[in-house]
Amino acid sequence: NAGVTQTPKFRVLKTGQSMTLLCAQDMNHEYMYWYRQDPGMGLRLIHYSVGEGTTAKGEVPDGYNVSRLKKQNFLLGLESAAPSQTSVYFCASSPTGKQYFGPGTRLLVL
Amino acid sequence: SQQGEEDPQALSIQEGENATMNCSYKTSINNLQWYRQNSGRGLVHLILIRSNEREKHSGRLRVTLDTSKKSSSLLITASRAADTASYFCATTMEYGNKLVFGAGTILRVKS
Repeated sequence: NAGVTQTPKFRVLKTGQSMTLLCAQDMNHEYMYWYRQDPGMGLRLIHYSVGEGTTAKGEVPDGYNVSRLKKQNFLLGLESAAPSQTSVYFCASSPTGKQYFGPGTRLLVL
Repeated sequence: SQQGEEDPQALSIQEGENATMNCSYKTSINNLQWYRQNSGRGLVHLILIRSNEREKHSGRLRVTLDTSKKSSSLLITASRAADTASYFCATTMEYGNKLVFGAGTILRVKS
């Protein structure tokens, strides 16, 4: 099993550009999450999903959208990137309780 | 806002010593989890302790939970250089499956 994978690993955007981060899991987990991690801070929840076709807002959802069209995939979109969205983004999945994390996507917005 | 706060923010010890990290939180929880993050990598789950449990062991890890004080501690015994990482506590509220993370403790184990 590959576990949780994230694409891309690193990306540089200009302010105003859009992009989509892809998270995929092969463990048949119901729950999936998107977090961002900034220097010296823990992870903050952006959006999450409790099952295929569902999404919900987390702690810091502004400027992001998500979709969970297939159970194994959870997409995070930035419609108009801003420098404040420079961060490391982590995806996680969970059957319940313990969460399994992907390796992260480093995003730099200039 | 973050639910958990770790203490200390950074800890430097010699190989073979024990490392203790503390976590405090604000509201009632369903469970508390500890994760490790090596530099530049994703988080790895270490241990989960439920609100009705007081202590849990996993290998060289020992976690305690005091719900009356809203605090938890992670003890790593006989530390190794490979234990060098950031350690985060995360709590799940009484209802829901979302985790709320603290800011973490950076542990450095010197060989």
